[in-house]
Amino acid sequence: DAKTTQPNSMESNEEEPVHLPCNHSTISGTDYIHWYRQLPSQGPEYVIHGLTSNVNNRMASLAIAEDRKSSTLILHRATLRDAAVYYCIRYSSASKIIFGSGTRLSIRP
Amino acid sequence: GAVVSQHPSWVICKSGTSVKIECRSLDFQATTMFWYRQFPKQSLMLMATSNEGSKATYEQGVEKDKFLINHASLTLSTLTVTSAHPEDSSFYICSANSIQVTLDNTQYFGPGTRLTVL
Repeated sequence: DAKTTQPNSMESNEEEPVHLPCNHSTISGTDYIHWYRQLPSQGPEYVIHGLTSNVNNRMASLAIAEDRKSSTLILHRATLRDAAVYYCIRYSSASKIIFGSGTRLSIRP
Repeated sequence: GAVVSQHPSWVICKSGTSVKIECRSLDFQATTMFWYRQFPKQSLMLMATSNEGSKATYEQGVEKDKFLINHASLTLSTLTVTSAHPEDSSFYICSANSIQVTLDNTQYFGPGTRLTVL
């Protein structure tokens, strides 16, 4: 099964770090882990991706467990604009994305 | 870079009519484009995968004669909802892989098209 497991929802305070977990225990050695987020009435937006090493970009950091069975998306300083549904994706064959239910992140001002 | 557009952004039509939705990769060539459907409060569901110049591959349960997909060029794919009915009302989203991307398969998503069938 190519789906991942994420908590349904999380809350955080503005300007605090947010750690969004994801389990992908059946991941294969060549599958990349991608994170996307979706704001209301918009298409998903690419956030970050990685294979084995931790990754950083201007939006977030991605910490990947050594056994690659889980990963954590880190938003270093949450803002109200970060409120969205965050999807953790591992690719199945033929480059298809299978979306799970994602984590709905709420930010308290 | 890597921008995907969709047109129209929203459409309202009468039951029984057909609606065409365009998906364009604006600044890159796409090897593959994907079409998704999303109902309120639900996740995205993959409908079909299309490659330029070949027939689309539909997911199980998606009627290929109802949802016609044409992928005529490396920058354009169209989804036509034929004989639309109210139950087809949904948010339709496309995505595309860049032809330059080989391993990590990052997909770029369009902004979505809201279809309402009366």
